[in-house]
Amino acid sequence: AQKITQTQPGMFVQEKEAVTLDCTYDTSDPSYGLFWYKQPSSGEMIFLIYQGSYDQQNATEGRYSLNFQKARKSANLVISASQLGDSAMYFCAMRLNTNAGKSTFGDGTTLTVKP
Amino acid sequence: NAGVTQTPKFRILKIGQSMTLQCTQDMNHNYMYWYRQDPGMGLKLIYYSVGAGITDKGEVPNGYNVSRSTTEDFPLRLELAAPSQTSVYFCASSLLGGNTIYFGEGSWLTVV
Repeated sequence: AQKITQTQPGMFVQEKEAVTLDCTYDTSDPSYGLFWYKQPSSGEMIFLIYQGSYDQQNATEGRYSLNFQKARKSANLVISASQLGDSAMYFCAMRLNTNAGKSTFGDGTTLTVKP
Repeated sequence: NAGVTQTPKFRILKIGQSMTLQCTQDMNHNYMYWYRQDPGMGLKLIYYSVGAGITDKGEVPNGYNVSRSTTEDFPLRLELAAPSQTSVYFCASSLLGGNTIYFGEGSWLTVV
């Protein structure tokens, strides 16, 4: 069965600095997608970035980039130039392409941006 | 753009009552999901559907039922509500192979 591990329950970062949120995954399936979502205190799930297992380049979306190391089974989220509005819970998730119904989320990392 | 719409947003149930959380998506997605999120935790998959007429269990299906009679709708039924079902419920949808899972705004359910 697939599994997502986020080892950092909480992280702090100074405003305007970069921060890396860790995510490791476990699956024996070669075809999968990796997602990062942001959940602010209001509760909605906001999609940030996606990486396919066969993508050759790391995904980037504005200030977000995904450091994908397939051999290590890691998919860390890098947020550059942190802003106060980045304070939220962040979830890493994986979905198998051979069984797209089977999606798995990590327990999340709470990021606090300090002014 | 409606996206994924779920209702109600808030509900208080008494132990033993039943209710249905409604979910509709207007993006013609074949995959739909129901998750629950307990306080401070990640999302756990309750049920999912790969298309009309096809549903399957996720990690935590006990105490819930689903149906998928149309592509658009994926209601979640709680039978005999228990305090352990107090949670935030999210409905979501995606395309097969799609690079985004779209979420509804969540439904806060309290069982007392």
